[in-house]
Amino acid sequence: DIQMTQSPSSLSASVGDRVTITCRTSQNILTYLNWYQWKPGTAPKLLIHTASTLQSGVPSRFIGSGSETDFTLTISSLQPEDFATYFCQQSINTQFNFGPGTKVDL
Amino acid sequence: EVQLVESGGDLVQPGGSLRLSCAASGFTFSNYHMVWVRQAPGKGLECISFITSTSSTTSYADFVEGRFTISRDNAKNSLYLQMNSLRAEDTAVYYCATYCTKCSGAFDSWGQGTLVTVSS
Repeated sequence: DIQMTQSPSSLSASVGDRVTITCRTSQNILTYLNWYQWKPGTAPKLLIHTASTLQSGVPSRFIGSGSETDFTLTISSLQPEDFATYFCQQSINTQFNFGPGTKVDL
Repeated sequence: EVQLVESGGDLVQPGGSLRLSCAASGFTFSNYHMVWVRQAPGKGLECISFITSTSSTTSYADFVEGRFTISRDNAKNSLYLQMNSLRAEDTAVYYCATYCTKCSGAFDSWGQGTLVTVSS
């Protein structure tokens, strides 16, 4: 199984802040890394796939980077609607492991 | 517009069984691989199972241990998850989602989920 870690597990930020979340994998997954946003009571939303490709309709303030075992999600200027939990996920194999999540709050 | 609607969640006793359904509309269901994902209360996301568009290949998370079976009926635009020998730790919101081949396997559309509670 591919182990996924995220840091930090939570962070407090303000509107307008630049926020960076890191995801690390126990194996080389090339760029098979995806990022999701989740808010309580709603379904997860795909933000970025293939490490750095913005999903259609997602604001350009969400930026993904990285490859192999180290990946980053950056929110360039945090907006009120961005307070949520963010998960990374590997899709190089059909276990599709998720990271434990990073909660971004005010 | 892609729409996925899960149903079948319920309160069930430990050791019991449940069958979840996912009704798909707004896209050509038979062309898409599909997955089931769950989220236990206060926990993260876990992918439970994957099925190809033609049902030729299925896969399961290790924690399933042969208790769950994924299936689909392309004529009915429906995905299913048969869950047997349920345990308290299976309590979660269960989502169905589409596997996006063009997105390197990311899950690009999700249903709103159905709640499964396993308790005596």
